[in-house]
Amino acid sequence: GAGVSQSPRYKVAKRGQDVALRCDPISGHVSLFWYQQALGQGPEFLTYFQNEAQLDKSGLPSDRFFAERPEGSVSTLKIQRTQQEDSAVYLCASSGRNYGYTFGSGTRLTVV
Amino acid sequence: QKEVEQNSGPLSVPEGAIASLNCTYSDRGSQSFFWYRQYSGKSPELIMFIYSNGDKEDGRFTAQLNKASQYVSLLIRDSQPSDSATYLCAGYMDTGRRALTFGSGTRLQVQP
Repeated sequence: GAGVSQSPRYKVAKRGQDVALRCDPISGHVSLFWYQQALGQGPEFLTYFQNEAQLDKSGLPSDRFFAERPEGSVSTLKIQRTQQEDSAVYLCASSGRNYGYTFGSGTRLTVV
Repeated sequence: QKEVEQNSGPLSVPEGAIASLNCTYSDRGSQSFFWYRQYSGKSPELIMFIYSNGDKEDGRFTAQLNKASQYVSLLIRDSQPSDSATYLCAGYMDTGRRALTFGSGTRLQVQP
């Protein structure tokens, strides 16, 4: 596609509920990144894929967070048993051969 | 100490003035830096990147990199109210992580 597409745009989850956030990167982009952005803060790294391989997941805050990109294209970030501190905007970005990222519009997760 | 540091602002400048946004980084080995603009409620968009010491100009924007001082800046000439946004500085820190590390951003307000 022409840009990075994320869905849903907004998600309200009850505490303890599982959520799945989807990212569809720019076609042909090998690298895909997930970031978490709290209000008034910069994006914080969560995890990185090169094609289908998850090369770095050091930023995932707990084992409740899980990401996959099984066919090297669409990626899903799953959060199990959501907590209030998980409330944030989750940004997906993809990158081609140069170093620049293109971000999607993000998913704003609110845990109530 | 955060790896990428920015003054949170707000930085307020009158329309037509030069806005100067600054960023320092902790890793002396870092080679490339990026400036992103983020409007409220929107995702970051890349406006400039710089790899070499010195200045790089693109229209009204000039990025400056001083690797000896571990300092990056962004100058915006002839500031417009539409430039009002949060500006994020990002770089590849030499932690083996192939993902950008972002600062917390500086909020710029251009007064008409």
